[in-house]
Amino acid sequence: EAQVTQNPRYLITVTGKKLTVTCSQNMNHEYMSWYRQDPGLGLRQIYYSMNVEVTDKGDVPEGYKVSRKEKRNFPLILESPSPNQTSLYFCASSLSKTGANGYTFGSGTRLTVV
Amino acid sequence: SQQGEEDPQALSIQEGENATMNCSYKTSINNLQWYRQNSGRGLVHLILIRSNEREKHSGRLRVTLDTSKKSSSLLITASRAADTASYFCATRGGSSNTGKLIFGQGTTLQVKP
Repeated sequence: EAQVTQNPRYLITVTGKKLTVTCSQNMNHEYMSWYRQDPGLGLRQIYYSMNVEVTDKGDVPEGYKVSRKEKRNFPLILESPSPNQTSLYFCASSLSKTGANGYTFGSGTRLTVV
Repeated sequence: SQQGEEDPQALSIQEGENATMNCSYKTSINNLQWYRQNSGRGLVHLILIRSNEREKHSGRLRVTLDTSKKSSSLLITASRAADTASYFCATRGGSSNTGKLIFGQGTTLQVKP
């Protein structure tokens, strides 16, 4: 089944403890992206990647890092999480950056930083 | 920044009725997409309409696009309880090189059995 898989689905962590949220797609998509969703603010793009080894900042990149060493994986790294990073995170992918066939989203990771 | 603004914010209808949601945007676009999100779950792509298209159908969904008014509407006909979800429009910028989708705040649809 074609899908974007995120792990974990739920995570509670403490301030400052490094964490990684994994994202993997099995559709050979070139383009991958991370969004966070917050009440009243909607979905905002954190980082995106056009292809392997090509990443760039979205609207809210502060406090996050990403890497794209393989086409299928696009992990989101929080080096020193803070409570304001408590949010619902989504990974998305598409065949190309134009999204001509739409984007496929993962099921989400609900992160709580205490 | 939010580009898509949706209207209404919330909509409650009876099963079998039609549901119409509207989306307005600010800048030129390549395409406009509609997504559905069940509570706390991932977004599911419903339909995409390109800037040179005016209307598109997919099953019980009908999407219109008016680029002169910078607006789109999503019509769900003969609604079902399973259609209860939040619906978002998202736009791809006309000159954007980021592949970024800009989402509206969404319309929460409740379909009562």
